[in-house]
Amino acid sequence: KNEVEQSPQNLTAQEGEFITINCSYSVGISALHWLQQHPGGGIVSLFMLSSGKKKHGRLIATINIQEKHSSLHITASHPRDSAVYICAVRGSNYKLTFGKGTLLTVNP
Amino acid sequence: EPEVTQTPSHQVTQMGQEVILRCVPISNHLYFYWYRQILGQKVEFLVSFYNNEISEKSEIFDDQFSVERPDGSNFTLKIRSTKLEDSAMYFCASSVGQGATKNIQYFGAGTRLSVL
Repeated sequence: KNEVEQSPQNLTAQEGEFITINCSYSVGISALHWLQQHPGGGIVSLFMLSSGKKKHGRLIATINIQEKHSSLHITASHPRDSAVYICAVRGSNYKLTFGKGTLLTVNP
Repeated sequence: EPEVTQTPSHQVTQMGQEVILRCVPISNHLYFYWYRQILGQKVEFLVSFYNNEISEKSEIFDDQFSVERPDGSNFTLKIRSTKLEDSAMYFCASSVGQGATKNIQYFGAGTRLSVL
């Protein structure tokens, strides 16, 4: 069973700051997802990674397979980035195992 | 942009009643999933479905739960006799495939199930 840990649990930042959210997992995976959940509850997929680094706009996701660790970075953070960011990992089967999420609040 | 749609957005039911949660996955997707999130807790996998059969299910997905793709577009989750602890947000997701580049799962907005 894969244990997925995220840190920090809560993060408050000022607009414009560089944000880093971390995710570590205990067992080897085939892919890692970063997801965003807004206060209304809907979930949006941000990235799926199996190696290296991906960038989309102000969001960057990296993964280190050997260290079983991934980071999500947000550059030039904005209040609209306020949401829960969730890391989820996929093993050799089909299901995703989720972390508890990181609540990000970006103040203007 | 294509999206996964779920109906209803909120379902209120009495304990012991049957509920059916409906999902319309993205049209060219072949893999379908249900997840649930109890208030304040993390999202949990329930079941995955491919080629008209269950591919994987979690220990949560007991005999009270069933899934069906009754036609070419809908994917449903049925809870036979709801319990108070079934109250949660239920998310449907779909993906094109299972390979490294095709497993991006697209989520619906969720159905909030309240069991009274």
